[in-house]
Amino acid sequence: AQKITQTQPGMFVQEKEAVTLDCTYDTSDPSYGLFWYKQPSSGEMIFLIYQGSYDQQNATEGRYSLNFQKARKSANLVISASQLGDSAMYFCAMRERDSGTYKYIFGTGTRLKVLA
Amino acid sequence: EAQVTQNPRYLITVTGKKLTVTCSQNMNHEYMSWYRQDPGLGLRQIYYSMNVEVTDKGDVPEGYKVSRKEKRNFPLILESPSPNQTSLYFCAAGREHQETQYFGPGTRLLVL
Repeated sequence: AQKITQTQPGMFVQEKEAVTLDCTYDTSDPSYGLFWYKQPSSGEMIFLIYQGSYDQQNATEGRYSLNFQKARKSANLVISASQLGDSAMYFCAMRERDSGTYKYIFGTGTRLKVLA
Repeated sequence: EAQVTQNPRYLITVTGKKLTVTCSQNMNHEYMSWYRQDPGLGLRQIYYSMNVEVTDKGDVPEGYKVSRKEKRNFPLILESPSPNQTSLYFCAAGREHQETQYFGPGTRLLVL
């Protein structure tokens, strides 16, 4: 079973509108972390936002917020007021403990295109 | 400035010719990791290291070796590269419970 699932290979959004990128996860580790990264066409990985499994509040960073629904194992990224520069690939990732160490698992990504 | 550097950034090689991709970090982080990125597959962890002399296999370790002799360096070694190792490789560094890993700029490898 996939540990991180991003079901939207590609999405379009109109400039200035909000968009939600879906991510579901699966883990038995009670102390996990969830991340979103942006990868523009230039290729670098840019950290956007983090949510710890014990965090009570949804994480927010500027125009980015993480809609964390623990019971549903869902960690969707919401981008408000989309900008043309938001066009990129977006990856959801999870950090989980595994036999005394910890590993990172990434989803397959969602390519977002912002339309003018 | 917190930084992870990788070299080379681009590499074209031939099947079977041993190569090393270097990774260095200036943040004194314990955790370092290598990923490969392939279209439609996202990033997959190759190897990771919790500290000096401690390395573990990730999800796709076959055909790769790593070493962690110093805290700041974590080279990726391909003893006998094959065309299916053509990929974009990322090195990353971080701390447990830290809110992110820091990624290097990536190395594009083409194996002919």
